[in-house]
Amino acid sequence: KAGVTQTPRYLIKTRGQQVTLSCSPISGHRSVSWYQQTPGQGLQFLFEYFSETQRNKGNFPGRFSGRQFSNSRSEMNVSTLELGDSALYLCASSLNHYTDTQYFGPGTRLTVL
Amino acid sequence: AQSVTQPDIHITVSEGASLELRCNYSYGATPYLFWYVQSPGQGLQLLLKYFSGDTLVQGIKGFEAEFKRSQSSFNLRKPSVHWSDAAEYFCAVVNRGGTSYGKLTFGQGTILTVHP
Repeated sequence: KAGVTQTPRYLIKTRGQQVTLSCSPISGHRSVSWYQQTPGQGLQFLFEYFSETQRNKGNFPGRFSGRQFSNSRSEMNVSTLELGDSALYLCASSLNHYTDTQYFGPGTRLTVL
Repeated sequence: AQSVTQPDIHITVSEGASLELRCNYSYGATPYLFWYVQSPGQGLQLLLKYFSGDTLVQGIKGFEAEFKRSQSSFNLRKPSVHWSDAAEYFCAVVNRGGTSYGKLTFGQGTILTVHP
């Protein structure tokens, strides 16, 4: 079974631009979560989508948004990029319940100049 | 709010030596706990998880962890470390209720270096 895939793997943007990251979950998984990983703040939860609905949201500004499509693929968008948004963005998928294991993708490395 | 603390930022061991990575959690109810490993440039891979039952949990790659409620700890162990175990290790707890249902809270991670 194919794992979680994320595209692109690397991105370089400049301040003020916006960016869209994509995540394809494992087939049959309906929950997709996004995390931001930085050296200073570690791994932080952004949001989770289940059946095209945002089920949970972390403590990030409104510039961070996401959506999920009917095939469970998910995108996250960051508008008006800031230098501090440089990070590894990880996507994780699971079947549907918090007890289900979350399987992580390789991440998208975003650099904001 | 739940939290996870990994007191050791960096640990160095020799190949073949035993390993213990510490994890302390704060959670109001019975926690659901996880250990993940991340190799450079990779995503996170689940090593093991604890939900209930036997407090000694076996995972992949020869790892095990012991849940101790009295100490609020979930330490990861391996009897004999291999060079390929060099990576960063994360302990996490999942929120089982409220508005952050299903959210994983991670510790800051422990970087493991293995000397030949």
